[in-house]
Amino acid sequence: NAGVTQTPKFQVLKTGQSMTLQCAQDMNHNSMYWYRQDPGMGLRLIYYSASEGTTDKGEVPNGYNVSRLNKREFSLRLESAAPSQTSVYFCASSPMGGGNTIYFGEGSWLTVV
Amino acid sequence: AQSVTQPDIHITVSEGASLELRCNYSYGATPYLFWYVQSPGQGLQLLLKYFSGDTLVQGIKGFEAEFKRSQSSFNLRKPSVHWSDAAEYFCAVGPTYSGGGADGLTFGKGTHLIIQP
Repeated sequence: NAGVTQTPKFQVLKTGQSMTLQCAQDMNHNSMYWYRQDPGMGLRLIYYSASEGTTDKGEVPNGYNVSRLNKREFSLRLESAAPSQTSVYFCASSPMGGGNTIYFGEGSWLTVV
Repeated sequence: AQSVTQPDIHITVSEGASLELRCNYSYGATPYLFWYVQSPGQGLQLLLKYFSGDTLVQGIKGFEAEFKRSQSSFNLRKPSVHWSDAAEYFCAVGPTYSGGGADGLTFGKGTHLIIQP
């Protein structure tokens, strides 16, 4: 019953530090996504992967990198964290791309000080 | 580019009263449409979706939504709210095709629903 699993759930970073958010799904979905959620801004797409081996930029990709390690896993890396990257990050997956239903993880709360 | 507008940032409703949350979208054709709900500290859960066919769709927890093409709207309704319905509600649109850079859903900024006793 796991669905989409993200780690860590909470993280505090200092400005300039790097970290990787991990995400795995067990639903055999082809597409995976990383969104960030900020107060009053809704969810904004950072990067997505339509299939294993491919990644594409979303609306707000600057300062992030991603890796689609295999069909199950899609990681998000902050190379040099900035306070503007303080946010809640959601990983999600979908059986197919386009506008199909997306299933979300429970979120990772990141604070950059 | 597609966009979603949820005009109401906050809505307060008495328990037992009816609810309507508004959603308007901008898209070149008829998109796929969704409503998600987010409880505090949680991820987003799908309430309902419209892909095609009947413009009145039923979802979980007693929610329904009506797609009105002429108004580019997809409003969410519930006849009688419960205190447990207090949450953040997001409307989203997605393309009816994949590839060519079209992937993922575009979300509105959300409506915070407060239930008063």
